[in-house]
Amino acid sequence: LAKTTQPISMDSYEGQEVNITCSHNNIATNDYITWYQQFPSQGPRFIIQGYKTKVTNEVASLFIPADRKSSTLSLPRVSLSDTAVYYCLVGDIGSGGSNYKLTFGKGTLLTVNP
Amino acid sequence: KAGVTQTPRYLIKTRGQQVTLSCSPISGHRSVSWYQQTPGQGLQFLFEYFSETQRNKGNFPGRFSGRQFSNSRSEMNVSTLELGDSALYLCASRLRSDGGYEQYFGPGTRLTVT
Repeated sequence: LAKTTQPISMDSYEGQEVNITCSHNNIATNDYITWYQQFPSQGPRFIIQGYKTKVTNEVASLFIPADRKSSTLSLPRVSLSDTAVYYCLVGDIGSGGSNYKLTFGKGTLLTVNP
Repeated sequence: KAGVTQTPRYLIKTRGQQVTLSCSPISGHRSVSWYQQTPGQGLQFLFEYFSETQRNKGNFPGRFSGRQFSNSRSEMNVSTLELGDSALYLCASRLRSDGGYEQYFGPGTRLTVT
């Protein structure tokens, strides 16, 4: 399973666009890239998922280059309520066995300042 | 559509006891995964069930077990509780067992072992 690397923390201001990049050098052919947002004491919330190129929904965009070794989550015009931890997850179906290491990594703490 | 529900939300147990946590997935979702989240280890995958069969299992001891019923509801059991089992236990459901990890998480069960 592909290991992911993200910045530990990022700071931004209200109204700015924020880009969070995740590296996943050994991504497998069948792997999808999924991003989650988590607030303290809550379960992660699905934001967006993609396989290649660009995906956009009502809250974010996901950019994936042709080699798929990294991905960038773009949050347009952030607000104070976007302060949270953001996780990048790479995976698909799994091998169906034990010791399946599906991990979220450490995540990126985004702090949005007024 | 109702989200993922988990019961109970909070639980205090004594070392050596056992505990059962319950998860009801989003209607129509057939895959249920369980995660343990602690400040030190982050989000760790426990296991995934699809159509009542365990598909993948993380690197946890045999004290952690689970099952899924025909209505897709799932339970996880932890026997012989240890202090280190204190954590937020999260359940997540997705429609299928492949095609990426677009999962929807419940609020979690906060387990405290004393």
